[in-house]
Amino acid sequence: AQSVTQPDIHITVSEGASLELRCNYSYGATPYLFWYVQSPGQGLQLLLKYFSGDTLVQGIKGFEAEFKRSQSSFNLRKPSVHWSDAAEYFCAVGHSSASKIIFGSGTRLSIRP
Amino acid sequence: GAGVSQSPSNKVTEKGKDVELRCDPISGHTALYWYRQSLGQGLEFLIYFQGNSAPDKSGLPSDRFSAERTGGSVSTLTIQRTQQEDSAVYLCASSPLTLAVNTGELFFGEGSRLTVL
Repeated sequence: AQSVTQPDIHITVSEGASLELRCNYSYGATPYLFWYVQSPGQGLQLLLKYFSGDTLVQGIKGFEAEFKRSQSSFNLRKPSVHWSDAAEYFCAVGHSSASKIIFGSGTRLSIRP
Repeated sequence: GAGVSQSPSNKVTEKGKDVELRCDPISGHTALYWYRQSLGQGLEFLIYFQGNSAPDKSGLPSDRFSAERTGGSVSTLTIQRTQQEDSAVYLCASSPLTLAVNTGELFFGEGSRLTVL
């Protein structure tokens, strides 16, 4: 069955510190992978996506993610977080022949001043 | 419009009543999705439209849930005989291409928060 797991429900990091949010997926074919962010009171916004090619992808707001097929992971990273990064982050998986994108349960990120 | 618009933004209803949630996608977007977001549950896929047809409605939880789309634009999600477990935020998203995964980007509305008392 297709699934996306985000093992960390809530993470708190200090402003300026590095960040890594974990995402693992189970998918029967080569996946298309995404990270979305949901800021308080706002809709979800695409941060970045991986379809093929270079396994390290760059996104908006200074985020990047690395696809590791052997680990079925697509972890999101940022070298230095800002207070404005506090939000809920969702990993998602889809496929070109599928009509839906499956989302994980989300990781809530808090920033410590 | 400039973005995906959903209404109402908040709806409080009594158990057993019917509710309708509306989604107005970005103009020209052919694909439209409904998701349900419950606390700590992530986004649960409900149904997908391509134009006015729904090739994938596998996520609808029960026959109390239905959705339609008219004119390739506005969509309505209807929940009949609401139950307390239907309380959630219902999110609508649209995408410009036939298969949203080809571009990866779903454009989301801000959601309709449904509370069933």
